[in-house]
This record gives sequence, structure tokens and C-alpha cells, in this order.
Amino acid sequence: GEDVEQSLFLSVREGDSSVINCTYTDSSSTYLYWYKQEPGAGLQLLTYIFSNMDMKQDQRLTVLLNKKDKHLSLRIADTQTGDSAIYFCAESNDSGGGADGLTFGKGTHLIIQP
Amino acid sequence: DVKVTQSSRYLVKRTGEKVFLECVQDMDHENMFWYRQDPGLGLRLIYFSYDVKMKEKGDIPEGYSVSREKKERFSLILESASTNQTSMYLCASRDSGELFFGEGSRLTVL
Repeated sequence: GEDVEQSLFLSVREGDSSVINCTYTDSSSTYLYWYKQEPGAGLQLLTYIFSNMDMKQDQRLTVLLNKKDKHLSLRIADTQTGDSAIYFCAESNDSGGGADGLTFGKGTHLIIQP
Repeated sequence: DVKVTQSSRYLVKRTGEKVFLECVQDMDHENMFWYRQDPGLGLRLIYFSYDVKMKEKGDIPEGYSVSREKKERFSLILESASTNQTSMYLCASRDSGELFFGEGSRLTVL
């Protein structure tokens, strides 16, 4: 089946940039997503990118997509303590009208050092 | 404000008990999903439903069943809870594009 891979942990100093990487195998992915999960809560959509784009920027967040290498990254500029969370990479191809759901990575724990 | 609501945030049950986890969405979505989340394993799909009374097995359906009698409601049922079903359960819904999640139900089976 399709697969999404990401590192389990990333530790950065407050104020530095965080870069979370993800690779996926489905070449027919339509959308790629980054979800954020704070402790004890559900997942919230942070940002997404359509597969025909290679970059999307939204305030402190920059998403880069390398479709040839099937590599997605999320950069958080000026990382703050409130960014401490688990970040999930996910993809969908929507060929089933949405019934297929999303394929998720295992999540990257972002740890902020003071 | 769009919402997926899970009725119970925390539950503690005994081995062998029947457990119902309820989920309601207010976005008129066709598709609803149940995942479980465990440390180091990420999210694993248990069951999903693409229409009322329709259901499909996900990756780990064993020990679970589901019910979708109304479009907005999708229930997860543990017929006889076991300790290995202690987990965080997440409900979600979508049409296409973004998947919307509830806040999660943390189930402990003793």
C-alpha cells in the first residue's frame, strides 16, 4: 500500500527554524497536508499544498514540495514554545471522492529547547 | 464553525465490557472515519463509512464494529473490550480535501 514516512523526533532551540521532512510513495497524490496535534487534542490542519505547486508560504510556515523525489517539508520560522506538538504529514489522491481518507505518517514530535 | 464532536473525552472500562464511542459531524460530509492513535504507530484506520448504513474495513478492524444510521453520526463499538484496545480514538469526516478531526476519546481498559 501507499506509505508516508517522517522522523519521529526533532529538537530545536527557541527562535531557530524547524524543518520537518516527509517522504511519500503515492505518485498520484492530489493534496499533501501538514496537521498539528497538541497534547491531549485531536489533529488540526496546519496547511496543505496542491500537488501541482512546489511552494506555499503562510506567515511563519513554508511548505516545499519536490514531486519528483516525493519529498515534502514544513519549515517553521522563529520557532516558539507554542509550536511544541506532533506534526503529521498526510497525502490523499481523492480518486474515491474522499472515501479513501488520508494516508498519514507516524508524526514528528517537535521539541523546543529554551 | 465546523465541528466533529466526540461524546466522551475520557473513558475507563473493564475487560469484557461493551463500549460505544459516538461521533457527530455538522458539515453534512459523506465520509466518516475512525482511527486509533498509539505512540510510535501513528494513526491507524479502523473503519470508514462513505454513506448511511455503508461501512468499510480499514487496516485494523479486528475487535471493532461500526454503525452509521444517520449521515451525521458514526459510532465505534467494542463488543468486548480488551486491554490492548487501550488507546486514543479519533473520529474524522470529509468530502474531499481536508479531513476534519474530533478532539479524541482516550479509552483505558482495565
